[in-house]
Amino acid sequence: GAVVSQHPSWVICKSGTSVKIECRSLDFQATTMFWYRQFPKQSLMLMATSNEGSKATYEQGVEKDKFLINHASLTLSTLTVTSAHPEDSSFYICSARDQGNDSPLHFGNGTRLTVT
Amino acid sequence: AQSVTQLGSHVSVSEGALVLLRCNYSSSVPPYLFWYVQYPNQGLQLLLKYTSAATLVKGINGFEAEFKKSETSFHLTKPSAHMSDAAEYFCAVSGPNFGNEKLTFGTGTRLTIIP
Repeated sequence: GAVVSQHPSWVICKSGTSVKIECRSLDFQATTMFWYRQFPKQSLMLMATSNEGSKATYEQGVEKDKFLINHASLTLSTLTVTSAHPEDSSFYICSARDQGNDSPLHFGNGTRLTVT
Repeated sequence: AQSVTQLGSHVSVSEGALVLLRCNYSSSVPPYLFWYVQYPNQGLQLLLKYTSAATLVKGINGFEAEFKKSETSFHLTKPSAHMSDAAEYFCAVSGPNFGNEKLTFGTGTRLTIIP
């Protein structure tokens, strides 16, 4: 079945540094990928929709300059957390949909970011 | 606008007992409804989905859900709980053109199985 690979699975970084998270669709092409953020014991909050070959669409309240999204190919989207702060610590999950309106979303296993 | 409400942030059932996780939706268009399961430090796995076909939907791991328009509900059930069912469960909704639309998730229900 379709698989979405997310890397790294966890990362610890210092305040002020930037962290890049990759989301790859392994056996299908995804024109659209989604980035979610999940706070402890809470639901997933959609941050942005990543569109291959064009700018990402950000949800209200999400800082575009802080959470940079690049979707350079049909199998790879990246989320870069710039100038990370402790409040950015969270679980980030990506998802992708295989082409076709009846295809379900496939989720990556998430990346736990800890900013010290 | 669409939303889902999951009643009960925590549910505990004994092993072998019936599992019932509640989800009510609000949607101005015919909804597509989903149940996902999340194990600790992992992404989400689709259990089942309703896309306007049969109202009783069977999913993986013995789970099923019934779409009831009159009650705006999409409750998840399993006749006999297993220890491996312990996880976080999320109900989600999207519009009919869900190939291009975003999922809106509920706040989740943590299921604990009592040996």
